[in-house]
Amino acid sequence: GEDVEQSLFLSVREGDSSVINCTYTDSSSTYLYWYKQEPGAGLQLLTYIFSNMDMKQDQRLTVLLNKKDKHLSLRIADTQTGDSAIYFCADFSGGYNKLIFGAGTRLAVHP
Amino acid sequence: DAMVIQNPRYQVTQFGKPVTLSCSQTLNHNVMYWYQQKSSQAPKLLFHYYDKDFNNEADTPDNFQSRRPNTSFCFLDIRSPGLGDAAMYLCATSTKESPSGEQYFGPGTRLTVT
Repeated sequence: GEDVEQSLFLSVREGDSSVINCTYTDSSSTYLYWYKQEPGAGLQLLTYIFSNMDMKQDQRLTVLLNKKDKHLSLRIADTQTGDSAIYFCADFSGGYNKLIFGAGTRLAVHP
Repeated sequence: DAMVIQNPRYQVTQFGKPVTLSCSQTLNHNVMYWYQQKSSQAPKLLFHYYDKDFNNEADTPDNFQSRRPNTSFCFLDIRSPGLGDAAMYLCATSTKESPSGEQYFGPGTRLTVT
Protein backbone atom coordinates (compact mmCIF):
# COMPACT_ATOMS: atom_id res chain seq x y z
CA GLY A 1 0.00 0.00 0.00
CA GLU A 2 0.93 3.66 -0.05
CA ASP A 3 3.58 4.82 2.40
CA VAL A 4 4.84 8.22 3.55
CA GLU A 5 8.12 8.56 5.43
CA GLN A 6 9.69 11.43 7.33
CA SER A 7 12.72 11.92 9.51
CA LEU A 8 11.59 12.02 13.13
CA PHE A 9 13.47 14.95 14.58
CA LEU A 10 15.01 18.27 13.53
CA SER A 11 16.69 20.87 15.73
CA VAL A 12 17.43 24.38 14.47
CA ARG A 13 18.55 27.69 15.90
CA GLU A 14 16.08 30.54 16.06
CA GLY A 15 16.36 32.70 12.93
CA ASP A 16 17.79 29.89 10.77
CA SER A 17 15.88 28.10 8.03
CA SER A 18 14.36 24.68 8.70
CA VAL A 19 13.94 22.05 6.02
CA ILE A 20 11.67 19.10 6.72
CA ASN A 21 11.77 16.24 4.23
CA CYS A 22 9.24 13.63 3.21
CA THR A 23 9.16 10.76 0.73
CA TYR A 24 6.10 8.96 -0.56
CA THR A 25 5.48 5.91 -2.68
CA ASP A 26 2.15 6.54 -4.41
CA SER A 27 2.81 7.49 -8.03
CA SER A 28 -0.82 8.58 -8.48
CA SER A 29 -0.67 11.24 -5.75
CA THR A 30 -2.50 14.37 -6.81
CA TYR A 31 -1.97 16.63 -3.80
CA LEU A 32 0.54 16.62 -0.97
CA TYR A 33 0.03 18.45 2.30
CA TRP A 34 1.88 19.78 5.28
CA TYR A 35 0.11 19.88 8.63
CA LYS A 36 1.40 21.31 11.91
CA GLN A 37 0.49 19.89 15.32
CA GLU A 38 1.31 21.72 18.52
CA PRO A 39 1.31 19.83 21.85
CA GLY A 40 -2.15 18.63 22.84
CA ALA A 41 -3.80 20.15 19.79
CA GLY A 42 -5.33 19.04 16.51
CA LEU A 43 -3.70 19.28 13.10
CA GLN A 44 -3.48 22.66 11.41
CA LEU A 45 -3.30 22.71 7.62
CA LEU A 46 -0.23 24.75 6.66
CA THR A 47 -0.09 24.39 2.91
CA TYR A 48 -0.48 21.94 0.08
CA ILE A 49 0.87 21.49 -3.41
CA PHE A 50 -0.64 20.05 -6.56
CA SER A 51 1.42 17.28 -8.13
CA ASN A 52 2.00 19.14 -11.39
CA MET A 53 3.78 21.95 -9.53
CA ASP A 54 7.36 21.80 -8.33
CA MET A 55 7.30 24.75 -5.95
CA LYS A 56 4.84 26.74 -3.90
CA GLN A 57 5.66 29.69 -1.67
CA ASP A 58 3.44 31.07 1.05
CA GLN A 59 5.06 33.77 3.22
CA ARG A 60 7.79 32.02 5.25
CA LEU A 61 6.89 28.60 3.88
CA THR A 62 8.31 27.10 0.69
CA VAL A 63 7.22 23.68 -0.54
CA LEU A 64 9.37 21.84 -3.05
CA LEU A 65 8.14 18.77 -4.89
CA ASN A 66 10.32 16.39 -6.90
CA LYS A 67 7.75 14.12 -8.45
CA LYS A 68 10.33 11.93 -10.18
CA ASP A 69 11.98 11.07 -6.87
CA LYS A 70 8.68 11.27 -4.91
CA HIS A 71 10.28 13.73 -2.53
CA LEU A 72 8.57 16.63 -0.80
CA SER A 73 10.13 19.24 1.44
CA LEU A 74 8.93 22.12 3.60
CA ARG A 75 11.27 25.04 4.18
CA ILE A 76 10.48 27.46 6.99
CA ALA A 77 12.44 30.70 6.69
CA ASP A 78 13.50 32.64 9.80
CA THR A 79 12.35 29.88 12.14
CA GLN A 80 10.84 31.11 15.40
CA THR A 81 10.19 29.40 18.74
CA GLY A 82 6.50 29.39 17.85
CA ASP A 83 7.32 27.06 14.97
CA SER A 84 8.26 24.31 17.44
CA ALA A 85 5.77 21.53 16.74
CA ILE A 86 5.33 18.24 14.92
CA TYR A 87 5.01 18.55 11.15
CA PHE A 88 3.14 15.89 9.21
CA CYS A 89 3.44 15.26 5.52
CA ALA A 90 0.32 13.71 3.94
CA ASP A 91 -0.47 12.28 0.55
CA PHE A 92 -3.82 12.41 -1.23
CA SER A 93 -4.52 10.32 -4.28
CA GLY A 94 -8.19 11.02 -4.77
CA GLY A 95 -11.04 8.65 -4.13
CA TYR A 96 -12.87 9.51 -0.94
CA ASN A 97 -10.33 12.11 0.12
CA LYS A 98 -8.25 9.63 2.11
CA LEU A 99 -4.99 11.08 3.40
CA ILE A 100 -1.95 8.95 4.14
CA PHE A 101 0.17 10.57 6.87
CA GLY A 102 3.83 10.24 7.66
CA ALA A 103 4.90 9.66 11.25
CA GLY A 104 5.68 13.35 11.75
CA THR A 105 8.88 15.36 12.23
CA ARG A 106 9.36 17.01 15.59
CA LEU A 107 10.91 20.46 15.05
CA ALA A 108 12.72 21.94 18.03
CA VAL A 109 13.79 25.58 17.83
CA HIS A 110 16.43 26.74 20.28
CA PRO A 111 17.82 30.21 20.98
CA ASP B 1 -15.51 31.56 12.25
CA ALA B 2 -16.29 28.28 10.53
CA MET B 3 -14.73 25.48 12.48
CA VAL B 4 -14.59 21.91 13.72
CA ILE B 5 -15.41 21.49 17.40
CA GLN B 6 -14.76 18.47 19.57
CA ASN B 7 -16.18 17.79 23.00
CA PRO B 8 -14.97 17.06 25.51
CA ARG B 9 -11.30 17.96 25.07
CA TYR B 10 -10.34 15.44 27.74
CA GLN B 11 -12.27 12.31 28.62
CA VAL B 12 -11.53 9.74 31.30
CA THR B 13 -13.36 6.44 31.22
CA GLN B 14 -13.04 3.13 33.02
CA PHE B 15 -11.95 -0.08 31.39
CA GLY B 16 -14.98 -1.60 29.66
CA LYS B 17 -17.28 1.39 30.24
CA PRO B 18 -18.83 2.72 27.00
CA VAL B 19 -17.84 6.22 26.03
CA THR B 20 -18.99 8.65 23.32
CA LEU B 21 -16.95 11.43 21.80
CA SER B 22 -18.60 14.17 19.77
CA CYS B 23 -17.68 16.35 16.86
CA SER B 24 -19.55 19.21 15.26
CA GLN B 25 -18.74 21.43 12.31
CA THR B 26 -19.96 24.73 10.93
CA LEU B 27 -18.23 24.29 7.58
CA ASN B 28 -21.19 22.45 6.03
CA HIS B 29 -18.78 19.83 4.71
CA ASN B 30 -20.24 16.58 3.44
CA VAL B 31 -17.37 14.34 4.57
CA MET B 32 -16.47 13.74 8.21
CA TYR B 33 -13.63 11.56 9.52
CA TRP B 34 -12.51 10.03 12.77
CA TYR B 35 -8.82 9.41 13.38
CA GLN B 36 -7.02 7.76 16.27
CA GLN B 37 -3.60 9.14 17.14
CA LYS B 38 -1.38 7.44 19.66
CA SER B 39 1.64 9.12 21.16
CA SER B 40 4.37 9.98 18.63
CA GLN B 41 2.46 8.33 15.80
CA ALA B 42 0.65 9.44 12.68
CA PRO B 43 -3.12 9.81 12.79
CA LYS B 44 -4.80 6.57 11.80
CA LEU B 45 -8.11 6.74 9.95
CA LEU B 46 -10.86 4.74 11.68
CA PHE B 47 -13.81 5.56 9.40
CA HIS B 48 -15.48 8.33 7.51
CA TYR B 49 -18.91 9.45 6.37
CA TYR B 50 -19.71 10.84 2.97
CA ASP B 51 -23.05 12.42 3.78
CA LYS B 52 -24.81 9.48 5.48
CA ASP B 53 -22.76 6.79 3.76
CA PHE B 54 -20.52 5.11 6.32
CA ASN B 55 -17.10 3.78 5.31
CA ASN B 56 -15.15 1.67 7.74
CA GLU B 57 -11.41 1.08 7.40
CA ALA B 58 -10.64 -2.63 7.12
CA ASP B 59 -8.53 -2.72 10.29
CA THR B 60 -10.82 -0.66 12.53
CA PRO B 61 -11.83 -2.83 15.50
CA ASP B 62 -15.53 -3.69 15.94
CA ASN B 63 -15.33 -1.98 19.32
CA PHE B 64 -15.47 1.36 17.49
CA GLN B 65 -18.75 2.60 16.05
CA SER B 66 -19.91 5.91 14.66
CA ARG B 67 -23.12 7.83 14.11
CA ARG B 68 -23.85 10.85 11.98
CA PRO B 69 -27.39 12.08 12.72
CA ASN B 70 -27.07 15.15 10.50
CA THR B 71 -24.54 17.12 8.45
CA SER B 72 -23.16 19.00 11.43
CA PHE B 73 -22.61 16.26 14.00
CA CYS B 74 -20.70 13.03 14.16
CA PHE B 75 -20.14 10.74 17.16
CA LEU B 76 -17.54 8.13 17.97
CA ASP B 77 -18.75 5.35 20.27
CA ILE B 78 -16.27 3.02 21.94
CA ARG B 79 -18.34 0.13 23.24
CA SER B 80 -15.86 -1.45 25.65
CA PRO B 81 -12.71 0.63 25.94
CA GLY B 82 -9.49 -1.19 26.65
CA LEU B 83 -6.22 0.26 27.90
CA GLY B 84 -4.94 0.17 24.33
CA ASP B 85 -7.67 2.58 23.24
CA ALA B 86 -6.15 5.44 25.19
CA ALA B 87 -5.24 7.98 22.52
CA MET B 88 -6.07 11.33 20.98
CA TYR B 89 -9.16 11.12 18.80
CA LEU B 90 -9.30 13.61 15.98
CA CYS B 91 -12.32 14.60 13.94
CA ALA B 92 -11.83 16.13 10.50
CA THR B 93 -14.03 17.36 7.67
CA SER B 94 -13.68 17.93 3.97
CA THR B 95 -15.86 18.52 0.98
CA LYS B 96 -16.03 15.90 -1.72
CA GLU B 97 -16.31 18.62 -4.35
CA SER B 98 -12.90 20.07 -3.52
CA PRO B 99 -10.33 18.63 -5.95
CA SER B 100 -7.52 19.30 -3.50
CA GLY B 101 -9.19 17.21 -0.79
CA GLU B 102 -7.83 19.18 2.15
CA GLN B 103 -9.13 18.14 5.54
CA TYR B 104 -9.81 20.46 8.46
CA PHE B 105 -9.22 19.09 11.92
CA GLY B 106 -10.75 19.73 15.28
CA PRO B 107 -8.60 20.16 18.41
CA GLY B 108 -9.02 16.52 19.39
CA THR B 109 -10.28 14.64 22.44
CA ARG B 110 -7.66 12.96 24.61
CA LEU B 111 -9.09 9.73 25.99
CA THR B 112 -7.67 8.15 29.14
CA VAL B 113 -8.75 4.63 30.14
CA THR B 114 -8.29 3.69 33.79
